[in-house]
Amino acid sequence: GAVVSQHPSWVICKSGTSVKIECRSLDFQATTMFWYRQFPKQSLMLMATSNEGSKATYEQGVEKDKFLINHASLTLSTLTVTSAHPEDSSFYICSACRAPGTDTQYFGPGTRLTVL
Amino acid sequence: EDKVVQSPLSLVVHEGDTVTLNCSYEVTNFRSLLWYKQEKKAPTFLFMLTSSGIEKKSGRLSSILDKKELFSILNITATQTGDSAVYLCAGGTNFGNEKLTFGTGTRLTIIP
Repeated sequence: GAVVSQHPSWVICKSGTSVKIECRSLDFQATTMFWYRQFPKQSLMLMATSNEGSKATYEQGVEKDKFLINHASLTLSTLTVTSAHPEDSSFYICSACRAPGTDTQYFGPGTRLTVL
Repeated sequence: EDKVVQSPLSLVVHEGDTVTLNCSYEVTNFRSLLWYKQEKKAPTFLFMLTSSGIEKKSGRLSSILDKKELFSILNITATQTGDSAVYLCAGGTNFGNEKLTFGTGTRLTIIP
């Protein structure tokens, strides 16, 4: 159990376009999902915490108008990178928790975004 | 600001050796310390530690937490080439389901 998927696994886009990344918990319901970004040879940096049915909580320095997060159901959260620029190229990883207060985060396989 | 520091940054050993990876943390309202293994893609969960002095073990891997010294170690015995990866530790304010602060990782390379 506790499988998290992401789609797409990689995407290449032109500067100025928007890209949507999906994160799904396949065999459990996740009231909370997290979005991380990882630059080459660096660690995971939390971007935002997404709770089903409410607005996401963004970490300091992360532009909420640029990184739109929607957690419409207990199994799906989406991250949309709007007006992407080359500096947004990174590895985006989501994670999900099965049960608040008792369980750890399970990570998706990640999405590699390359903005040309 | 919360901080997690791992050492060494990288480590190269021969197959069969034993390695110890270090993690120190300063996390406000600390509740748990987690270890993950990251190969080419997203991290896979190894251990979650919440109590001092109680070793957690899984095969050749083991880990222990010292909440007084704000420190954890991850041991790998009889290393194999499949152990080559980046090992991440993270400090959490709940049982791993709230904000995690990650260290930069230790890149472990096992030479056959």
